[in-house]
Formats: sequence, structure tokens, C-alpha cells
Amino acid sequence: EVQLVESGGDLVQPGGSLRLSCAASGFSLSNYWMSWVRQAPGKGLEWVACINQDESVKYYLDSVRGRFTISRDNAKNSLSLQMNSLTAEDTAVYYCARDRIIGGYWGQGTLVTVSS
Amino acid sequence: QSVLTQPPSASGTPGQRVTISCSGNSSNIGSNYVSWYQQFPGTAPKLLIYKNYLRPSGLPDRFSASKSETSASLDISGLRSEDEADYYCAAWDDSLSGRYVFGAGTKVTVL
Repeated sequence: EVQLVESGGDLVQPGGSLRLSCAASGFSLSNYWMSWVRQAPGKGLEWVACINQDESVKYYLDSVRGRFTISRDNAKNSLSLQMNSLTAEDTAVYYCARDRIIGGYWGQGTLVTVSS
Repeated sequence: QSVLTQPPSASGTPGQRVTISCSGNSSNIGSNYVSWYQQFPGTAPKLLIYKNYLRPSGLPDRFSASKSETSASLDISGLRSEDEADYYCAAWDDSLSGRYVFGAGTKVTVL
């Protein structure tokens, strides 16, 4: 059974940093693109970033490019999102999801709150 | 403002048909597959439709979708109370550096 489990969400001050992780099981991460999607409280879904199988291709939402870094460790079946220079606008539930064209596999989400 | 345009709300009575539209452009819907997701409050989105009109196994055929040029639509027939949820369309967008774009979502209410 495919499972994606996010962790690392927390309350952080504006300007701070946070690293999210996504543990994958039930499939080999090395075979798939992986993505991050976020959802601000009461708002819609917003794609954040995606990464290809060998980390040679990464795409980012314009508003996070230069502040967020997506990475992966295929040996550990793990996906990460390093988030720097956080602002209130980054407050959201962050989901990891399998594939570039996101399909049926999503994690349960982890909440990031940026507030002083 | 979302790249893909959806109506904010749609409604119907049980048994009725509801259609949700999704409008894009040549960089997204016009040149890439459309997916649709259903989301209940506090839960992760669920895939309803992929590659424009294909349903994952186990999904009721009450859900159907189509695409024409730069627009797509999701139909829910035989509306049921458990269909009350938010629905999002999405597609890859080839403009700028490449990105996956979602519509703003449509809240379906079963009256």
C-alpha cells in the first residue's frame, strides 16, 4: 500500500526556516517525480514545487523560488522541502504527493504556521 | 488569482446533475492533461479524474469529465449528499518555467 507521511510542520517566526519531510512507503521513490502542494487556511490548493527522479529537474512556484528547496533521498525513500525566509503568506497545510502530474497519492499534510 | 478559472460554487438537489467548468489557456489545458480532485474539509484531496476523462478504479461512473481546447468540465450525475465537497481542476502549465496549476475550487452544495 502506497503511503506518504509528512512531518516537520511547526509554528515559526517570520523570517525563520523550517524543513519538511515526507516518508514514502509501498513504492520505490526513485521511480517517480514527487511534488509539494500547500493549502492556506480556508483557501484552495496551491502547487509549490516538484522534483524529478534524479534531482536533475526541479520546478518551483514563483513566490517560493529562491526561498524553498525541494530535495530527495531515494535511498531513504524520503522527500524534503527546505523553507527559508518564511512569511505569513507561507502559512498552510503542506502536502507531499506522488508524480509531477499529481494523481491519487497524497500525504495527510503537515501544518506550517508563520507568526510572531 | 488562479490560472484556471472555476465557478466558486455549484449546487443541486439529490439526483440532479451538476456541471463544474474549468477554463484555462493554450499553455495549460490546451496542451496538457486535466485532472480533477475532490476534497472534504480537513482531509487530503482525492483524485477523481486523470488524463482529461479517465476515472481511477472504484470511482462511481456518476463522475465524468471532458475537455475541449482550453476548457474542461466535470459532471456529477445523480447527485448525492456525500458529494458535497470542494472540487479542483488542475493541469501542467508550460508557461514561465513550468508549473502545476490548480483552479480556485468549486464548492458543491447538495440542497
